[in-house]
Amino acid sequence: VQLVESGGGLVQPGKSLKLSCSASGFTFSSYGMHWIRQAPGKGLDWVAYISSSSGTVYADAVKGRFTISRDNAKNTLYLQLNSLKSEDTAIYYCARTGYWGQGVMVTVSS
Amino acid sequence: DIQMTQSPSVLSASVGDRVTLNCKASQNINKYLNWYQQKLGEAPKLLIYNTNNLQTGIPSRFSGSGSGTDFTLTISSLQPEDFATYFCFQHNSWPLTFGSGTKLEIK
Repeated sequence: VQLVESGGGLVQPGKSLKLSCSASGFTFSSYGMHWIRQAPGKGLDWVAYISSSSGTVYADAVKGRFTISRDNAKNTLYLQLNSLKSEDTAIYYCARTGYWGQGVMVTVSS
Repeated sequence: DIQMTQSPSVLSASVGDRVTLNCKASQNINKYLNWYQQKLGEAPKLLIYNTNNLQTGIPSRFSGSGSGTDFTLTISSLQPEDFATYFCFQHNSWPLTFGSGTKLEIK
């Protein structure tokens, strides 16, 4: 199982960013997937979940601003981040039960 | 939301010690409690799932117990590689929530 995130970077407050997570080593379409984030030096915060049938659930802090999606043909998980705030600055991990990617850094700053 | 409270926040111990880390949920989460280990600069690693199930490849010195609202992670004999931060995680109810972590330090 391998999960590789990409798409992070420095973005201004109010702007948007789209993260990707490329999955391999398992039948991606059969598994629910999560995004989890960790602000610098802080603990872990669950962000969003998408089921194998594309049902979604969000943390209150990101509801209405972030959108989780998946493309099973490309074995890829996405997180669209809109209306970004400084408090969204964090390492973003994609995860499946028992497996996490290495994370991608998102910095929101002017 | 279910609040997860871990104690202690910092634990100092020596190689060979038996240590117990605690996690308390603000509501009943049945058995749906996982434990993760995180080392500096690395992604968290799953140790225990659903209270007491050892993840494949994890040494048997790690064990979990509990039910309802009170859970523990026990390391039977600390090894040098075990000094890290440990997080509990409930997946019983949305939104899913983590504890704030216990940092296990070398005494």
